[in-house]
Amino acid sequence: SQQGEEDPQALSIQEGENATMNCSYKTSINNLQWYRQNSGRGLVHLILIRSNEREKHSGRLRVTLDTSKKSSSLLITASRAADTASYFCATDAGNTPLVFGKGTRLSVIA
Amino acid sequence: DGGITQSPKYLFRKEGQNVTLSCEQNLNHDAMYWYRQDPGQGLRLIYYSQIVNDFQKGDIAEGYSVSREKKESFPLTVTSAQKNPTAFYLCASSFLLARGGYTFGSGTRLTVV
Repeated sequence: SQQGEEDPQALSIQEGENATMNCSYKTSINNLQWYRQNSGRGLVHLILIRSNEREKHSGRLRVTLDTSKKSSSLLITASRAADTASYFCATDAGNTPLVFGKGTRLSVIA
Repeated sequence: DGGITQSPKYLFRKEGQNVTLSCEQNLNHDAMYWYRQDPGQGLRLIYYSQIVNDFQKGDIAEGYSVSREKKESFPLTVTSAQKNPTAFYLCASSFLLARGGYTFGSGTRLTVV
């Protein structure tokens, strides 16, 4: 059962531009998390936003959460070639493991 | 350095053969998880464990088995009953079940030959 669905599936931007990825989910959640995966590697935790939070920042990352719309967005500002990776949202809906979406493939062109 | 180690990085399995993927963590995490990743399908949960000697099936447990004899170790066996085992397998761990971020290993790529 995949809870989160990222949009778009793939995104290609120029270095220095901002990248925005969206995640929609179906049921109530305790928190939502974003992860990055470089090709052929494991996932790396980026940021966690709780259900009672609306916005959170970490460096060049900005995450928003709208529980009424069951959606979240991840904004990467001033993107760099090193940001090229797949980005996944994951939802915590209770006392069960995280459920991951299918991811957004981001390509940042130098 | 604390972390989670998966081995081997690449594994080749013959038809009808069982293979075991290793996952070890020294983060003192309570919970450990196995996910399978296929192209375009994201991560799907195979098994997870919250405490030693206890584990739960995930969404795609058929054809797989696990054990949790030690807190640090959560090996995954891909049995001959798994008809399409070619995939990228990811192990993860966390302190609390889904309350915080997961730490992932670097993955094992299994190929049937």
